[in-house]
Amino acid sequence: AQKVTQAQTEISVVEKEDVTLDCVYETRDTTYYLFWYKQPPSGELVFLIRRNSFDEQNEISGRYSWNFQKSTSSFNFTITASQVVDSAVYFCALSEASNYGQNFVFGPGTRLSVLP
Amino acid sequence: KAGVTQTPRYLIKTRGQQVTLSCSPISGHRSVSWYQQTPGQGLQFLFEYFSETQRNKGNFPGRFSGRQFSNSRSEMNVSTLELGDSALYLCASSLLGQSSGANVLTFGAGSRLTVL
Repeated sequence: AQKVTQAQTEISVVEKEDVTLDCVYETRDTTYYLFWYKQPPSGELVFLIRRNSFDEQNEISGRYSWNFQKSTSSFNFTITASQVVDSAVYFCALSEASNYGQNFVFGPGTRLSVLP
Repeated sequence: KAGVTQTPRYLIKTRGQQVTLSCSPISGHRSVSWYQQTPGQGLQFLFEYFSETQRNKGNFPGRFSGRQFSNSRSEMNVSTLELGDSALYLCASSLLGQSSGANVLTFGAGSRLTVL
């Protein structure tokens, strides 16, 4: 069965600090996809990144970086030099290649508060 | 390019009533998924439609139903509302039509339902 765990329920940091959000997943499939989404107070989930199970390269996009490690089933997200605008709930999600359509399993989310 | 549009944004119903929520996907997107978000259960998959056919369904009672029209617009209906149905209902659309876990979901801002 698929499962996504985000052990950190809430994190508070002061602006300009670096912060890492953890994500651990479970799946029996060999082909799967991992996602991170951001949910600001407005409620709309905003896509941040997608990785497939065959691509373990780390990725950096501006102040955001992602570390994918299949050996530990983790897909962690780091924000460097955090800003107040980064305050949101962040969700990690798993999707398996399937012939039965699209079905994301989301983690419980991590609420990040960046204080000025 | 217009995003995913959900209506109504907020609504209040009483127990026993029924409700219909609407979702207009991004132009060209043929897959529409629905998710329920509650503080206790997090984000849970309801169902997914592609080309007017339900392709996948989550673990929700039959009171939850949906449909998709030929223009890809989708509606979901909840009958005999219960207090526990109070939630943010999120609709998402995706561009790619094939059955694959790789599709990036673009979410709407959601419909917040309160059941009294």
